[in-house]
Amino acid sequence: GNSVTQMEGPVTLSEEAFLTINCTYTATGYPSLFWYVQYPGEGLQLLLKATKADDKGSNKGFEATYRKETTSFHLEKGSVQVSDSAVYFCALSLNQAGTALIFGKGTTLSVSS
Amino acid sequence: NAGVTQTPKFQVLKTGQSMTLQCAQDMNHEYMSWYRQDPGMGLRLIHYSVGAGITDQGEVPNGYNVSRSTTEDFPLRLLSAAPSQTSVYFCASSYQQGGGYEQYFGPGTRLTVT
Repeated sequence: GNSVTQMEGPVTLSEEAFLTINCTYTATGYPSLFWYVQYPGEGLQLLLKATKADDKGSNKGFEATYRKETTSFHLEKGSVQVSDSAVYFCALSLNQAGTALIFGKGTTLSVSS
Repeated sequence: NAGVTQTPKFQVLKTGQSMTLQCAQDMNHEYMSWYRQDPGMGLRLIHYSVGAGITDQGEVPNGYNVSRSTTEDFPLRLLSAAPSQTSVYFCASSYQQGGGYEQYFGPGTRLTVT
């Protein structure tokens, strides 16, 4: 079946450190892939997305590349800030519209100054 | 635009009671979805709709009903609440942008079933 596996958290970093959050997926066909972020007490916001193999999604200094050969979509940022502290979710879409998403369990990131 | 709105924000039910979680969007989005979020489980898809009159089941549909009579509204009904349905519920709507679709999430409804 379709599934998403993310690295377990929490991830604790100092400001300006490099961030990687691993995400791998299992899917039939060629899903679109997404990273969502949830700040404390808020709903989810789309961070970035990629709709086909080798696409790179980027936003706010975060990047992720759709790797079909390794079925991965790892999230990276070169220099994290305290304001990046949040829960990050990797997701894939069940349909072309990207409306029915399967999420990973989320990774909590905590950045200290 | 108000975006995706959900009511109520908080709700406490007794086991066996029924209720409807409301979701509305004013962006004329064709697609809408319901998710539940549980600690350590991430978000799981309950039901989704690709247009008025069309709905389909997601990963965890049991115990929930939906209907989509208008583009704007997508209510989620709990027919007989159970403690296992204690969760935070998120509604989302999406539209096509560029080569794909982007989902907008509502602020969530925190439901407790005692």
